[in-house]
Amino acid sequence: NAGVMQNPRHLVRRRGQEARLRCSPMKGHSHVYWYRQLPEEGLKFMVYLQKENIIDESGMPKERFSAEFPKEGPSILRIQQVVRGDSAAYFCASSPQGQGVRNSYEQYFGPGTRLTVT
Amino acid sequence: GDSVTQMEGPVTLSEEAFLTINCTYTATGYPSLFWYVQYPGEGLQLLLKATKADDKGSNKGFEATYRKETTSFHLEKGSVQVSDSAVYFCALTGNQFYFGTGTSLTVIP
Repeated sequence: NAGVMQNPRHLVRRRGQEARLRCSPMKGHSHVYWYRQLPEEGLKFMVYLQKENIIDESGMPKERFSAEFPKEGPSILRIQQVVRGDSAAYFCASSPQGQGVRNSYEQYFGPGTRLTVT
Repeated sequence: GDSVTQMEGPVTLSEEAFLTINCTYTATGYPSLFWYVQYPGEGLQLLLKATKADDKGSNKGFEATYRKETTSFHLEKGSVQVSDSAVYFCALTGNQFYFGTGTSLTVIP
């Protein structure tokens, strides 16, 4: 039973380029979450998606960042015109049900994509 | 809003020492509480969880008890090993998953 898959594991981009990060959730999971982990900081929630729907994007920067989870295929986190401050580890997680109060479903994490902007 | 406050690190212990990592939370309703562990270069893995007051989660010698009266979920282990060196995250579920900032633990032989 494959876990959450993320690729690439490492991504190097020059300033101004685009970065595309992919996440395939665990089999049977239809809820996907993206987090960013900056050096020496904790995990910051970015966005929560279900198939073809963005449920909560309150943690996503307003510009340059977008996410999708199409009916077929992996979830994509897209960063346009990357800057050095975007260098971080980006983690994807999935769960079988959505989050909510009184919800005990844990999230299963992928190994992360480490983005370096030069 | 909901939040988790976690003991700051880094923490360095000798092998077989007792470990406590403090975690307190603020939440409306009745959240579930979690501890996740992150080994170097890897993603987060669920360590243990508790879904209601007075529940005790346990795994691999680690324990944490959901204390509603003190809004706490402290992580403990009686005798740490070098292999426990990692970053530990406390988390709760609300409308989102809220993570603490993480506590880095290094266990030296």
